[in-house]
Amino acid sequence: EDQVTQSPEALRLQEGESSSLNCSYTVSGLRGLFWYRQDPGKGPEFLFTLYSAGEEKEKERLKATLTKKESFLHITAPKPEDSATYLCAVQYSSASKIIFGSGTRLSIRP
Amino acid sequence: DGGITQSPKYLFRKEGQNVTLSCEQNLNHDAMYWYRQDPGQGLRLIYYSQIVNDFQKGDIAEGYSVSREKKESFPLTVTSAQKNPTAFYLCASSKTGISGANVLTFGAGSRLTVL
Repeated sequence: EDQVTQSPEALRLQEGESSSLNCSYTVSGLRGLFWYRQDPGKGPEFLFTLYSAGEEKEKERLKATLTKKESFLHITAPKPEDSATYLCAVQYSSASKIIFGSGTRLSIRP
Repeated sequence: DGGITQSPKYLFRKEGQNVTLSCEQNLNHDAMYWYRQDPGQGLRLIYYSQIVNDFQKGDIAEGYSVSREKKESFPLTVTSAQKNPTAFYLCASSKTGISGANVLTFGAGSRLTVL
C-alpha cells in the first residue's frame, strides 16, 4: 500500500534555531514529491516539487531535498511567521492520485 | 484573478441529511480533487477526476458522491451514509506539469458540522 509518513508530528523551535522535517514514502514509482504550507483554517499553499533523488530546491529560509525513500524540509534561522503546518504529498507514476502525509505542525517562538 | 471557489465556507447539517459542497475553478485545469481534513490531521483523498464525465474513488469514498459534468465544476455530496461527516473539506485542481507531476491549487475550504 502506498504510504506517506511525516515526522515529527509537532516541532517547537526558538526563533533562529534551524531544524529539519522528514517525509518518508514507499517506493513504487515516484512521479513527484510535493511540499505545501498550510495556515490554520486555510487551504494549503504550494512550496516545492521534487522529481528525482538528489534534487534540491530553495525558497527563502526553506530548502527541500529528496532521496530514494525520503525527503527533508530544512528550515534555516526560522522566524515566527514560518509557523504553520507543513504537508508532504506524493504522486506515483501509475496515476494522478496524490497522497498526503499527516503533516508537521511547526511553531516558532520569538 | 484565476482560482478555486468553494462554497459555502461554513455549513451545518442535521443527521440524516445530504449536503452538497460546491467547487468551481477558472484555471482551465483538467484534474480536480476533493480531500477531507480532520483536526490536527493531514489530507485524505475522497474522489478525484482527470477529465469531464470521469472520476475515481480515493481512499475514503464511502458515503460521498461526486459529478464532473463541466470542466470547471466538481461538486461533492456528503450523504447520510457518511458516519462521521464533520470535517474540513478541501477542493483542489491541477494541470499536468513537468514529468507529469500535478501541482495542486487549493480552495479556501468548507467546514461542515453535523448537529
